[in-house]
Amino acid sequence: SYELTQPLSVSVALGQTARITCGGNNIGSKNVHWYQQKPGQAPVLVIYRDSNRPSGIPERFSGSNSGNTATLTISRAQAGDEADYYCQVWDSSCHWVFGGGTKLTVL
Amino acid sequence: EVQLVESGGGLVQPGGSLRLSCAASGFTVSSNYMSWVRQAPGKGLEWVSVIYSGGSTYYADSVKGRFTISRHNSKNTLYLQMNSLRAEDTAVYYCAREPLGGYYYMDVWGKGTTVTVSS
Repeated sequence: SYELTQPLSVSVALGQTARITCGGNNIGSKNVHWYQQKPGQAPVLVIYRDSNRPSGIPERFSGSNSGNTATLTISRAQAGDEADYYCQVWDSSCHWVFGGGTKLTVL
Repeated sequence: EVQLVESGGGLVQPGGSLRLSCAASGFTVSSNYMSWVRQAPGKGLEWVSVIYSGGSTYYADSVKGRFTISRHNSKNTLYLQMNSLRAEDTAVYYCAREPLGGYYYMDVWGKGTTVTVSS
């Protein structure tokens, strides 16, 4: 089975840059997608296929993927960015795989 | 507007059954891959099942043999039949759409329906 590893929590000062990592074996060879989930709400897609933003997602959200680590970067962090963030890939052995999630706190 | 609305959740005893529904609007469920994803209380997201546009179905090992995904094309509705329910199936169940193109991600999610398995 394929596993994705995320830090449990990341903190960032208001207006600074947050980076949330997602580790997996040779993850750079896969398409990585990122979701934002606020308390009591459904997940929202914020990055697809490593670095693409759906319409309506601010340019402050960006993604990269190489080697064994994919990264979601949130520039100029705002209070409204506080949420849980999940990475996701597709793997032929276990289909859709989610990371354990990272709680982002904006200080 | 593209929208998914789940229903059918509730309280059920261990060993019982429940059928979840997901009504779609703004697109055709039979044209897209459609998935169910669940989230246990305080836990992360877990993929449960998918039905491809061609009708093939796949399941997570944790539900294989107990859950069945299906769709009703004329009602534009996705279903999840859940049998032999266990306490560990307690979760919010989301239905989600994958966009055309086969890139295996979910671009539209419903608000979820809560399933509680308890005696």
